[in-house]
Amino acid sequence: AQSVTQPDIHITVSEGASLELRCNYSYGATPYLFWYVQSPGQGLQLLLKYFSGDTLVQGIKGFEAEFKRSQSSFNLRKPSVHWSDAAEYFCAVSNQAGTALIFGKGTTLSVSS
Amino acid sequence: DTEVTQTPKHLVMGMTNKKSLKCEQHMGHRAMYWYKQKAKKPPELMFVYSYEKLSINESVPSRFSPECPNSSLLNLHLHALQPEDSALYLCASSLRTDPYEQYFGPGTRLTVT
Repeated sequence: AQSVTQPDIHITVSEGASLELRCNYSYGATPYLFWYVQSPGQGLQLLLKYFSGDTLVQGIKGFEAEFKRSQSSFNLRKPSVHWSDAAEYFCAVSNQAGTALIFGKGTTLSVSS
Repeated sequence: DTEVTQTPKHLVMGMTNKKSLKCEQHMGHRAMYWYKQKAKKPPELMFVYSYEKLSINESVPSRFSPECPNSSLLNLHLHALQPEDSALYLCASSLRTDPYEQYFGPGTRLTVT
């Protein structure tokens, strides 16, 4: 069965520092991978997606993610974090039919000044 | 435009009330979804509509009744809810149910008293 693991429940990063959020997936076929961000009380905003091709994908708000099949990982990175990046981040994988997103439990990002 | 709108933003209802949540998108998407999200948890899939037909019901209690009147609208009718149904209800849409990115609305915060 497909699953997504986000090992870090909570991460605190200083403003201006770099960020890496970890995501590991379990999926037999080619995974369709996503990162979403959710601010408190808001809906989820798509940051980026990986379907195939270049393993380094660029997203919105200066985020990027790298797909590593050998490590079953899809880690999210940002070179310089802004205070407005504080939010909940979800990694997700789609099932083959595209009818369900399987989410990780999320990582809460706090940004300190 | 990747906007999914949801109304109302907040809803408080008693256990004997009947209310409805509304979701709308004008992106030409033919798949629409309802998710339930409890605090500090990832979204959980409830229903999937594909081309206005219900394709997935994730064993949701019958007190939740979805409806898709046309390709742009999705409703969730609520009746005789329980306090544990209090949550953020998120609507999402995607081009089709093949693996495509899903776009989420801002959600309706439901409180059952």
